[in-house]
Amino acid sequence: DGGITQSPKYLFRKEGQNVTLSCEQNLNHDAMYWYRQDPGQGLRLIYYSQIVNDFQKGDIAEGYSVSREKKESFPLTVTSAQKNPTAFYLCASSIRGPVNGYTFGSGTRLTVV
Amino acid sequence: DAKTTQPPSMDCAEGRAANLPCNHSTISGNEYVYWYRQIHSQGPQYIIHGLKNNETNEMASLIITEDRKSSTLILPHATLRDTAVYYCIVRVPERTDSWGKFQFGAGTQVVVTP
Repeated sequence: DGGITQSPKYLFRKEGQNVTLSCEQNLNHDAMYWYRQDPGQGLRLIYYSQIVNDFQKGDIAEGYSVSREKKESFPLTVTSAQKNPTAFYLCASSIRGPVNGYTFGSGTRLTVV
Repeated sequence: DAKTTQPPSMDCAEGRAANLPCNHSTISGNEYVYWYRQIHSQGPQYIIHGLKNNETNEMASLIITEDRKSSTLILPHATLRDTAVYYCIVRVPERTDSWGKFQFGAGTQVVVTP
């Protein structure tokens, strides 16, 4: 079945370490997105990519980095520069100019101790 | 994109219809209304979208007022599995500079009770 896979589901890291969250999709979608969600809050856009080898900053890109070397993959690195990295991270994808909206992964819960 | 206003929470009895309101008074003529829901600790799930006509699918119905300043998502027979946060979003789907800008607010926490 087609879908988006985020791994791992839970991730623990020590403060000051970089960590990379995986997002893979087999939907043949062109665009991919990363969102952050804090408890009781809505989703906030971190980065998005409309095509391979191109990506744009979202509303809260500071302290994060991404790459888009393959259409199927859009990994997110949470760097040590991110002041408060503990959060729920969601990856999504869509066709270009989506009318039906996004397909989301099941999320990665990152805890930095 | 237009800002939306939703009540923070609402309860619904199992088997009854759930009517979720959304105000989007600054919506422009080419902006669509989308609804998503998010069950706890999962990714959001697309429900339905519309421009100005009422829409229905297997999950829900979307009623948009004639002036398009508000809409209502209707879950016709709520079940316990419909307990989730429901997000109303307005967005222009074809603008290349807004592809990444689905703005998710706090949404409405819907609790379906037996």
